[in-house]
Amino acid sequence: AQSVTQLDSHVSVSEGTPVLLRCNYSSSYSPSLFWYVQHPNKGLQLLLKYTSAATLVKGINGFEAEFKKSETSFHLTKPSAHMSDAAEYFCVVTENSGYSTLTFGKGTMLLVSP
Amino acid sequence: EAGVTQFPSHSVIEKGQTVTLRCDPISGHDNLYWYRRVMGKEIKFLLHFVKESKQDESGMPNNRFLAERTGGTYSTLKVQPAELEDSGVYFCASSQALALNYGYTFGSGTRLTVV
Repeated sequence: AQSVTQLDSHVSVSEGTPVLLRCNYSSSYSPSLFWYVQHPNKGLQLLLKYTSAATLVKGINGFEAEFKKSETSFHLTKPSAHMSDAAEYFCVVTENSGYSTLTFGKGTMLLVSP
Repeated sequence: EAGVTQFPSHSVIEKGQTVTLRCDPISGHDNLYWYRRVMGKEIKFLLHFVKESKQDESGMPNNRFLAERTGGTYSTLKVQPAELEDSGVYFCASSQALALNYGYTFGSGTRLTVV
């Protein structure tokens, strides 16, 4: 079985300050992990993915995430927030065992103030 | 390359009516998925097509939901009759292969409101 917990429903930052969105996962098998972002009235856009290669994954728009097996975490970070980063972010897990569906976290709303 | 397209973007219907949602995947993507997010909840899996066949429909909530993918191209999701708890955003996604290294491409979703 697989599950994912996003530890914060809302995160507020000021423009130019670092962003940290936290995600913990549970998986019976070796997982693949993703972060998706949804801007208002837009689809889910893939930010980055971890699929058992390098543990530090770089994505689009300056985001990156580190897979830490010992901590079962996959936190999303960005050194400096932009106003355009304001959106909802989803941590997603799937298992590398044949067929497996995506399991989503509840989402974290990122608010960026000037 | 065109993305995953969903129609309509919004739909408001009365309880008891029928609604049909449509998803056009990326051309050449054999795998098509439906997911749903009801208010305040996680996005949850509904079903998965491989070409025209249902690979997994374990997430379909009940028999009021019917999904089809004739000819392995676009897919429809029909809700009949609609109930209040069916309100939410319905997402479609497609992928070339079984996901992992390719990722899934999602559509913008259909926001369904049942009143």
